[in-house]
Amino acid sequence: SQTIHQWPATLVQPVGSPLSLECTVEGTSNPNLYWYRQAAGRGLQLLFYSVGIGQISSEVPQNLSASRPQDRQFILSSKKLLLSDSGFYLCAWSQIGAGSPEQYFGPGTRLTVT
Amino acid sequence: GEDVEQSLFLSVREGDSSVINCTYTDSSSTYLYWYKQEPGAGLQLLTYIFSNMDMKQDQRLTVLLNKKDKHLSLRIADTQTGDSAIYFCAESWDGSARQLTFGSGTQLTVLP
Repeated sequence: SQTIHQWPATLVQPVGSPLSLECTVEGTSNPNLYWYRQAAGRGLQLLFYSVGIGQISSEVPQNLSASRPQDRQFILSSKKLLLSDSGFYLCAWSQIGAGSPEQYFGPGTRLTVT
Repeated sequence: GEDVEQSLFLSVREGDSSVINCTYTDSSSTYLYWYKQEPGAGLQLLTYIFSNMDMKQDQRLTVLLNKKDKHLSLRIADTQTGDSAIYFCAESWDGSARQLTFGSGTQLTVLP
């Protein structure tokens, strides 16, 4: 069966510090991968998605970047965090191809920028 | 652009049915989803429906889709306290990347 991991689970970082959040998927190959941010416990905003290694699409201009160095690894980064980067970051995966519309989410990382 | 809307709060008595509603604007939506989020956790996929279907039932969950009115609902039968959570409606179209657009979530509170 497939599983998705995110770490760390929680993170407190000062303004101006760098960020690296990691997401890995097990039990599948060549998945679509996604980063979402959830602010104030409500709506989710899609930040980045990737359909393959090295292929990153950005949905929203911002202080963050994403990379996919391996097939099942997705990394969210920032060189200098802003207060507005605080939130709950969720990684998700889906299987490429028709007939597989499900998208599954990881447990999330709670980021607090102080 | 796409827009998905939900009411923010719903309270029901334990044992009653809950109906959570959602409207969307993108007529090219192919799949519509319901997710559940418990406090501090990720999103759990409850069910999804293909846009050419009117209804889908899975145990206590019934999804109804009115494509003409772009209205989606989730009915939970015999609601239990463990059903208390935020429920998100989402839609996607049938592209290779299949990005989801989410509503703002409905907080369901089940009263004893």
